[in-house]
Amino acid sequence: DTEVTQTPKHLVMGMTNKKSLKCEQHMGHRAMYWYKQKAKKPPELMFVYSYEKLSINESVPSRFSPECPNSSLLNLHLHALQPEDSALYLCASSQEGFDSPLHFGNGTRLTVT
Amino acid sequence: GQNIDQPTEMTATEGAIVQINCTYQTSGFNGLFWYQQHAGEAPTFLSYNVLDGLEEKGRFSSFLSRSKGYSYLLLKELQMKDSASYLCVYPPHAGNNRKLIWGLGTSLAVNP
Repeated sequence: DTEVTQTPKHLVMGMTNKKSLKCEQHMGHRAMYWYKQKAKKPPELMFVYSYEKLSINESVPSRFSPECPNSSLLNLHLHALQPEDSALYLCASSQEGFDSPLHFGNGTRLTVT
Repeated sequence: GQNIDQPTEMTATEGAIVQINCTYQTSGFNGLFWYQQHAGEAPTFLSYNVLDGLEEKGRFSSFLSRSKGYSYLLLKELQMKDSASYLCVYPPHAGNNRKLIWGLGTSLAVNP
């Protein structure tokens, strides 16, 4: 069982829809991440929150909007996505420190039609 | 620059031993991770090495040589469930060390 929970597991949305991906962890981790992963590629960093503040935005298009309501929750709001945004979206958390491993959720498989 | 090289694909037989190599180039060093990822699933942490030498965890071991910029993951007594992608990853020394540098992964197929 994963300690990072992501919902939904699958999402199909049209290009005009607005949807949100949700992530929750109760390990007391203060760093939370959104990654995007395409088939046969490594995860690609999108955003990092540290102590509930956005610390890294990897030049992600504004149609992706992250939110960290509290230390346990992380959301990714989606609006006006393109078909090329279809991918596996992974949430992760970690303790502070570069030597702390990432704990990933099972991901949301997103398809944009 | 910062980059990682690892083989794209490997094949091995159930019960055998396989070694997955990783070479990296980085100015400074903050340790190196190995992650396992089964198809369609999330990556899971396997190991972290920051000092030279071999660290063993059950059937899996990870080795590091900082002077050579080299690491390997050793999988013993291979099982079918070990078929997965194995990713070599490190936190950069310069800049924000949360922006991990990921290898492209080695896809391991274990055959009966």
